[in-house]
Amino acid sequence: EAGVAQSPRYKIIEKRQSVAFWCNPISGHATLYWYQQILGQGPKLLIQFQNNGVVDDSQLPKDRFSAERLKGVDSTLKIQPAKLEDSAVYLCASSTQAQANPGGEQYFGPGTRLTVT
Amino acid sequence: AQSVTQLGSHVSVSEGALVLLRCNYSSSVPPYLFWYVQYPNQGLQLLLKYTTGATLVKGINGFEAEFKKSETSFHLTKPSAHMSDAAEYFCAVSEGGKGAQKLVFGQGTRLTINP
Repeated sequence: EAGVAQSPRYKIIEKRQSVAFWCNPISGHATLYWYQQILGQGPKLLIQFQNNGVVDDSQLPKDRFSAERLKGVDSTLKIQPAKLEDSAVYLCASSTQAQANPGGEQYFGPGTRLTVT
Repeated sequence: AQSVTQLGSHVSVSEGALVLLRCNYSSSVPPYLFWYVQYPNQGLQLLLKYTTGATLVKGINGFEAEFKKSETSFHLTKPSAHMSDAAEYFCAVSEGGKGAQKLVFGQGTRLTINP
């Protein structure tokens, strides 16, 4: 079974530029998550999708971050404009439908390491 | 609000020694508890989880953890460390029974194994 795919793996941009990350979850997984992991910290949930609807985006900085999951499969996370403090690893994860399996495992992709200069 | 505290950002043990990584949580409802491991430049991988039932749970690679409600703890142990155990370990909590399954992570503990 293929795992969660993310691209690009690394990205360097200047502040005020825009950037987009892509995630392809495990086939059949209804729930998709985007996490931000700042160096030395644990991952922090940015947004959670159930199919193509948003379940939780309470910690997403909506003035600069946006995310979508068209057709309930792939997802993109965008930052515009980027700030220095956005430097982090952005992790995508997926799981079977959370409501039906609340203790289920989340499967993580390898992440995208973003450096903002 | 839920939170997780991992005591010790760095733990170093000798190969063959006991591994003990500490995790304390706070939750207003019965929690689901998880331990994830992260190897360099990789995503997180589930080691083990507690949802309901037996409070001593066994995971992959010889790790186990015990849920102690009275101490609000979920410490991770392994009787004999191996060089391949060197990695970052994260404890996480979610609200049991809630549909959103939001995970709240601790800050992580970096485990180093000395030959």
